[in-house]
Amino acid sequence: IVLTQAPGTLSLSPGERATLSCRTSQSVSSKYLAWYQQKPGRAPRLLIYGASSRATGIPDRFSGSGSGTDFTLTISRLEPEDFAVYYCQLYDDSIPIIFGPGTEVDIK
Amino acid sequence: QVQLQESGPGLVKPSETLSLTCSVSGGSIRSNFWSWIRQPAGKGLEWIARIYDIVNDKSNYNASLKGRVTMSVDTSKSLFSLKLNSVTAADTAVYYCAKWSADRACFEAWGQGTLVTVSS
Repeated sequence: IVLTQAPGTLSLSPGERATLSCRTSQSVSSKYLAWYQQKPGRAPRLLIYGASSRATGIPDRFSGSGSGTDFTLTISRLEPEDFAVYYCQLYDDSIPIIFGPGTEVDIK
Repeated sequence: QVQLQESGPGLVKPSETLSLTCSVSGGSIRSNFWSWIRQPAGKGLEWIARIYDIVNDKSNYNASLKGRVTMSVDTSKSLFSLKLNSVTAADTAVYYCAKWSADRACFEAWGQGTLVTVSS
């Protein structure tokens, strides 16, 4: 299974909506799809698990959706602290864990 | 809340063995699953290994690294370890330890990461 993320870079302004895509090369269970945020020099932080469940302490401007091969992370209104790199991650018995290549959300 | 802290040499010579440990506090090492992930400078995340059954010492590894990597747990010291042998410059990266949630199929907690450079 291969994960692809699009776009590679997303240039937006604070207050705008960000839509990030993660696609899998074959249909997977949404239960096994997670999203992370990573800022420079920091460890990744779990945002979303099970494709749509927010992790503890994650603001509700972050939301996840999708099924099958297409998954989306949406940030409803970008705050200054949201400019970062976002990774999707999949668990599958055959792999078992892989990360997508990441999408960088930078300030326009 | 579980906290993780990586430790180990920051510099390893080519062909030698990279050895890292991760100390676990604030939670039980026995009842959770543990993993290593790495990230070369300016690149993405790469999962390395996971222990998913401490009692029976079961683990799995990234197929691209299998044969070079070993992961183990020391429950008496509340830490787990990574050994990667025959290292090359391509193994230079920030290495993270993390807590794997089997229920949620994700990494719930991460260490701060430690940079390991492979160079003579």
